[in-house]
Amino acid sequence: GDSVTQMEGPVTLSEEAFLTINCTYTATGYPSLFWYVQYPGEGLQLLLKATKADDKGSNKGFEATYRKETTSFHLEKGSVQVSDSAVYFCALSERETSGSRLTFGEGTQLTVNP
Amino acid sequence: EAGVVQSPRYKIIEKKQPVAFWCNPISGHNTLYWYRQNLGQGPELLIRYENEEAVDDSQLPKDRFSAERLKGVDSTLKIQPAELGDSAVYLCASSLEMGGILETQYFGPGTRLLVL
Repeated sequence: GDSVTQMEGPVTLSEEAFLTINCTYTATGYPSLFWYVQYPGEGLQLLLKATKADDKGSNKGFEATYRKETTSFHLEKGSVQVSDSAVYFCALSERETSGSRLTFGEGTQLTVNP
Repeated sequence: EAGVVQSPRYKIIEKKQPVAFWCNPISGHNTLYWYRQNLGQGPELLIRYENEEAVDDSQLPKDRFSAERLKGVDSTLKIQPAELGDSAVYLCASSLEMGGILETQYFGPGTRLLVL
């Protein structure tokens, strides 16, 4: 079945540091890929998405590129801020086999210190 | 525009007691999802509705869990009886699915359940 693996956390960075959170996936077909973010006390919010190979999703300075050859969708940001502290979830959806169900990774806790 | 509303936000019950969660999706969204998120893990789908019809309930533990979405709007998820392992955050999400296009799912804040 489909699965998503995220790098082990938590991740602690200083403000303005470069961020990478690794995400790899296993799927039988051609999934769409997502990054969701969960701020403390809030619901999950879509951060960015990519629906086909080589697509780059971007939002709020975050980027991720759909790499089919390495089955990866790593999240990057060039300069993190304290306000980026949250839990980040990588997810996939494979419409042909599982409809619009999202399959999530375990999440990565990011803490950015001033 | 109001987001997905869930209530209660927190619930503490003793094992073997029943519990119910309520979700009001974003107005006009025809698809509604219930996910369960265990501590330190990502959410897992329990059930998906398209309008009033449950189209994906393969991961719903049907011996103790039930759900309904009357009139294709609000939804209720029930557990009876609750077990210790049911302690988790229950998330509701909604989306507007049209013509096979994959649409964004919008999540509510969740209901945090603790079973003692």
